Amino acid sequence: AQSVAQPEDQVNVAEGNPLTVKCTYSVSGNPYLFWYVQYPNRGLQFLLKYITGDNLVKGSYGFEAEFNKSQTSFHLKKPSALVSDSALYFCASRYTGANNLFFGTGTRLTVIP
Amino acid sequence: SQTIHQWPATLVQPVGSPLSLECTVEGTSNPNLYWYRQAAGRGLQLLFYSVGIGQISSEVPQNLSASRPQDRQFILSSKKLLLSDSGFYLCAIRTSGNTGELFFGEGSRLTVL
Repeated sequence: AQSVAQPEDQVNVAEGNPLTVKCTYSVSGNPYLFWYVQYPNRGLQFLLKYITGDNLVKGSYGFEAEFNKSQTSFHLKKPSALVSDSALYFCASRYTGANNLFFGTGTRLTVIP
Repeated sequence: SQTIHQWPATLVQPVGSPLSLECTVEGTSNPNLYWYRQAAGRGLQLLFYSVGIGQISSEVPQNLSASRPQDRQFILSSKKLLLSDSGFYLCAIRTSGNTGELFFGEGSRLTVL
């Protein structure tokens, strides 16, 4: 079965500290992996994706994610958190040839001033 | 770049009433179109997707239906709403030739009373 898991419902981090939002995947073949962010009462915004190549992917708003095939993970990171980063974050995956994305259940990030 | 319009943005309907949510897309042609529902501000549930005019795939059996009368128009409907239909409905597109990321509209919030 194709799926992604976000093991943490909630992550709290102090402003200025590094942040990590975790994601693991279960996708056969070569996965395509994505991160999205959602602010209250808004649609999802695309942050970054891994398709192939360099395992470290850089995206919007200073976010990056590292693809780790041996650990089947794709954690989202940022070196220094901002209060404005507080939002709901979704990891998603797609396998080659599929029309759909499989979304995780979301992780709510709160950055404390 | 593409633009996704969803309306209405907010809707309050009584149980048993009909529903029509509309999604239109500008700036691209022949996209894949998707309807997702998000309950209680968390996970996303794929309801329907369409790869072309008149072609609808249903992911979850329920009292909702979808139609795609034009290439860039996707409509979500119900003949009789249930309380459980309350939620945040998101339209998304995937453009041809991209690597699978979806782009989302701003959503329609439905409250069934």
